[in-house]
Amino acid sequence: AQSVTQPDIHITVSEGASLELRCNYSYGATPYLFWYVQSPGQGLQLLLKYFSGDTLVQGIKGFEAEFKRSQSSFNLRKPSVHWSDAAEYFCAHNNAGNMLTFGGGTRLMVKP
Amino acid sequence: DTGVSQNPRHKITKRGQNVTFRCDPISEHNRLYWYRQTLGQGPEFLTYFQNEAQLEKSRLLSDRFSAERPKGSFSTLEIQRTEQGDSAMYLCASSRGAGGENIQYFGAGTRLSVL
Repeated sequence: AQSVTQPDIHITVSEGASLELRCNYSYGATPYLFWYVQSPGQGLQLLLKYFSGDTLVQGIKGFEAEFKRSQSSFNLRKPSVHWSDAAEYFCAHNNAGNMLTFGGGTRLMVKP
Repeated sequence: DTGVSQNPRHKITKRGQNVTFRCDPISEHNRLYWYRQTLGQGPEFLTYFQNEAQLEKSRLLSDRFSAERPKGSFSTLEIQRTEQGDSAMYLCASSRGAGGENIQYFGAGTRLSVL
């Protein structure tokens, strides 16, 4: 079965520090990969996506992610975290146009 | 686009009661999806529609759950004889088309609490 794994349930970083959130997927064909962010009481907002081509993709709010087929990973990064980035982050993939399969999420806390 | 709208935002009900949630997708999006998210977990797929046709249902969608999209616009999700295990956030999403590259846009969700 297809699956998405986010190994880190919680991460705490200091404001201004760099951030990397890990995502691993198990999928044989070309992956359609996404990162979403969810603030408390809110729905999911798309940060970025990867379908094909350049393996480093840029998203909103200064986020980027790198697709590494050899490692089955799609890690999310940000060079300098802001307090407003505190939220829950979900990695997901799309099985050819139908449902999204999500990881369990990583809750990011930002220390002042 | 005005975004995906879900109502109500919160619903508290007693065990055994029926509840109905509504989702209004982004206009002209022909696909509509329902997901369920329990505390501390990622969303899990329940079902999706293409226009008015319900094309796929997850095993999570027990017989007590029914979803409709009568005119291919808004959708309703009904849970009959609610159980405490139904307590969750119910998320709706919509997309313009099919294929792996279609982007699903999410509403803010309906949080259900079953007492």
